Amino acid sequence: GEDVEQSLFLSVREGDSSVINCTYTDSSSTYLYWYKQEPGAGLQLLTYIFSNMDMKQDQRLTVLLNKKDKHLSLRIADTQTGDSAIYFCAESLQTGANNLFFGTGTRLTVIP
Amino acid sequence: KAGVTQTPRYLIKTRGQQVTLSCSPISGHRSVSWYQQTPGQGLQFLFEYFSETQRNKGNFPGRFSGRQFSNSRSEMNVSTLELGDSALYLCASSLPGVRNEQFFGPGTRLTVL
Repeated sequence: GEDVEQSLFLSVREGDSSVINCTYTDSSSTYLYWYKQEPGAGLQLLTYIFSNMDMKQDQRLTVLLNKKDKHLSLRIADTQTGDSAIYFCAESLQTGANNLFFGTGTRLTVIP
Repeated sequence: KAGVTQTPRYLIKTRGQQVTLSCSPISGHRSVSWYQQTPGQGLQFLFEYFSETQRNKGNFPGRFSGRQFSNSRSEMNVSTLELGDSALYLCASSLPGVRNEQFFGPGTRLTVL
């Protein structure tokens, strides 16, 4: 199956770290992605991780992948008000295939 | 480089009508995918076109169709609209490759009355 679950809401104070979690059911994932969606906008690709990696760091973003538990997380360091948005994790089950399976989305609210 | 563009941005139709949405990918991108986003079902994959051929298809009824032109621009069509087709329709383009880095347009907001 392609169930991808996320908690719906997260609130953090400006300057703190945010951790957004995602669980998936299909162990054949090849790549896993994090997208950001701001109000009235499309999806912006933030980062991705290949399924044989455990961690990837990209400036303020750190992605952790626990393949055994099928758990993916996105940590945003020094969270800013501009980070307020909905964050989606997504998985690809086939290398080169563009049909992504998206999570339910987590609405991150950053409190000044 | 210009991003993915979608037209129109907003559309209002009535039940039973049909609608055509357009997507222009990033220059050089040959793959175009379409997704439907609704509050209830979230983001769901509709179909993908590559070099004018449908390469993947999601689990949607035959009322949803698409095509791709030789310049990689893509259209999707929904016939016999239903209230449940009200959604944000997103298109994404990508280069051929293994990482599936898809770049999304702003979407077309379709409202069916």
